[in-house]
Amino acid sequence: DVQLVESGGGLVQPGGSLRLSCAASGFTFSDYWMHWVRQVPGKGLVWVARMNDDGSRISYADSVKGRFIISRDNSKNTLYLQMNSLRAEDTAVYYCARRHYHFYSMDVWGQGTTVTVSS
Amino acid sequence: QSALTQPASVSGSPGQSITISCTGTTSDIGGYNYVSWYQQHPGEAPRLIIYEVNNRPSEVSDRFSGSKSGNTASLTISGLRPEDEADYYCSSYTTATTPGDVFGGGTKLTVL
Repeated sequence: DVQLVESGGGLVQPGGSLRLSCAASGFTFSDYWMHWVRQVPGKGLVWVARMNDDGSRISYADSVKGRFIISRDNSKNTLYLQMNSLRAEDTAVYYCARRHYHFYSMDVWGQGTTVTVSS
Repeated sequence: QSALTQPASVSGSPGQSITISCTGTTSDIGGYNYVSWYQQHPGEAPRLIIYEVNNRPSEVSDRFSGSKSGNTASLTISGLRPEDEADYYCSSYTTATTPGDVFGGGTKLTVL
């Protein structure tokens, strides 16, 4: 089965750092662009970052630019999100999502991992 | 990136049809045929239901359809069923600032 499993969420103090992981299985991870999307509980989806298949093309939302770093290890079938200088407004469920191979869309989503930024 | 504009809520009775709008700009919806729609039930991850404006994944019911006119995209659900009650999000490729993606604020569909 095609699957994405996020991990690494938790409670962190403002100004702290956290690294999220997204383990992929059931497909050739190195062929796909990947995204991070977040959602404050009870609120809408917000795109965070994306990376192409070989890691050479990266984009970030303005709200996280300069603080978050998206990366991937294709040998480990894993996507990462390094989150630095965390703020209370970064509190959310973080999803990784796969971009469809042929079409512009996010066709596979993980179950999400929760990040809480609070003192 | 400014979020795309969706109505906060829509409702309909079983068997009826509803349409959810999603308004953007020429930097996103109006400039590209890269509009997607996602369905999200409470406590679940989003699910792709429409890609590239008007295309459905094979596993999605043909009761779901998409369209676009100018800077506004629309999702139509016909023959409403109780299980369609969920949150719906539009998304588009955007070049407003850094090239990337932008979502709408979401629309809560209530099946009366």
